[in-house]
Amino acid sequence: EVQLLDSGGGLVQPGGSLRLSCAASGFTFSSYVMTWVRQAPGKGLEWVSSIFGNGDSIYYADSVKGRFTISRDNSKNTVFLQMNNLRAEDTAVYYCAKDRYSGAAFDVWGRGTMVTVSS
Amino acid sequence: EIVLTQSPGTLSLSPGERATLSCRASQSLSTYLAWYQQKPGQAPRLLIYDASNRDTGIPTRFSGSGSGTDFTLTISSLEPEDFGIYYCQQRYKWPPAFGQGTRLEIK
Repeated sequence: EVQLLDSGGGLVQPGGSLRLSCAASGFTFSSYVMTWVRQAPGKGLEWVSSIFGNGDSIYYADSVKGRFTISRDNSKNTVFLQMNNLRAEDTAVYYCAKDRYSGAAFDVWGRGTMVTVSS
Repeated sequence: EIVLTQSPGTLSLSPGERATLSCRASQSLSTYLAWYQQKPGQAPRLLIYDASNRDTGIPTRFSGSGSGTDFTLTISSLEPEDFGIYYCQQRYKWPPAFGQGTRLEIK
């Protein structure tokens, strides 16, 4: 069964850091683009960052560029999101998602991990 | 940057009725548009990719159409479990973008 297990969320003060992880299973991890999407409380979905299978292409939303870093360890089937200099507006549920094999869409999602930035 | 605009904001229909949801893009996407359903407390679920292809296991009452800048998700005969928020999403160009969502309420 294809699964994504995202973790690492929590409560952090403004200016603080967190590292999210997403452990994948059931597919050839290194062959797929992996993405982080977030959803602020009561709001819609916002794309955050994507990383290609071999890690050579990486994209960030302008809202997180320079503060967040996406990476992956294909030997451990895991994708990470290092979040630094966190702001209140980063408060959201963060989902990791896998690209569909064909078709530009996200076909498998993690259950989400909540990040709360507050003093 | 491509902007997706969904309409209507909220749709209130009864079981058995037909639902039509719209997504309009600020520039042409060819057919690189996907639709997702999200229920409270759950992750989004992929329904349609490449504008008109149902993902694995998606019931046939869900269908997608359109190309270029105008796209439609149709639910032919609503079931009670179809309530939730529906999002369109493009990956024709980076950065990917989601529409703001259409809330589907079941009467």
